[in-house]
Amino acid sequence: GAVVSQHPSWVICKSGTSVKIECRSLDFQATTMFWYRQFPKQSLMLMATSNEGSKATYEQGVEKDKFLINHASLTLSTLTVTSAHPEDSSFYICSALTRGIHGYTFGSGTRLTVV
Amino acid sequence: SQQGEEDPQALSIQEGENATMNCSYKTSINNLQWYRQNSGRGLVHLILIRSNEREKHSGRLRVTLDTSKKSSSLLITASRAADTASYFCAGGANSKLTFGKGITLSVRP
Repeated sequence: GAVVSQHPSWVICKSGTSVKIECRSLDFQATTMFWYRQFPKQSLMLMATSNEGSKATYEQGVEKDKFLINHASLTLSTLTVTSAHPEDSSFYICSALTRGIHGYTFGSGTRLTVV
Repeated sequence: SQQGEEDPQALSIQEGENATMNCSYKTSINNLQWYRQNSGRGLVHLILIRSNEREKHSGRLRVTLDTSKKSSSLLITASRAADTASYFCAGGANSKLTFGKGITLSVRP
């Protein structure tokens, strides 16, 4: 079945630095990728939708200059958290739109801790 | 914005009992999906029910959908300790999934 590989699974960074999270579709072409953020004991909040070769569409309240999304190829989408602050500490999950039975394949998530 | 409101938000049952989780949603959907998440891990898709379906089964899972009430329920029968996890409903529309708040299920051995 469809697999989305997300890396890293966890990362600790210092305030002010940038962190890049990658999601790769391993055996299919992901024309559309969704990026979610999940705070502890809360639900997944959609941050943005990226389509290969075009600019991402951000949800209301999500800073596009802080959360840079690149979807330059059909198998790779990246989320870069720029100038990270402790309040950006969260669990970030990507999801690729697929043609499978349920239509979405999720990555395994990245736990970001900003110290 | 979040789509669904699950209830109860936390459920603790004994192994072997059935667990019923409910979800209500606000906007129109094409389908409703249930996912499971173990602590700190990614999501596992459990079951999808389309907006023109009323009930669906998959193994020990049974999901219902009432579009007139904008609600869905997930029943896990004969629960196991390994079913301990958080469960989310998500409404699918226009290729987007909007998640509810989630229910934490604890199954005591």
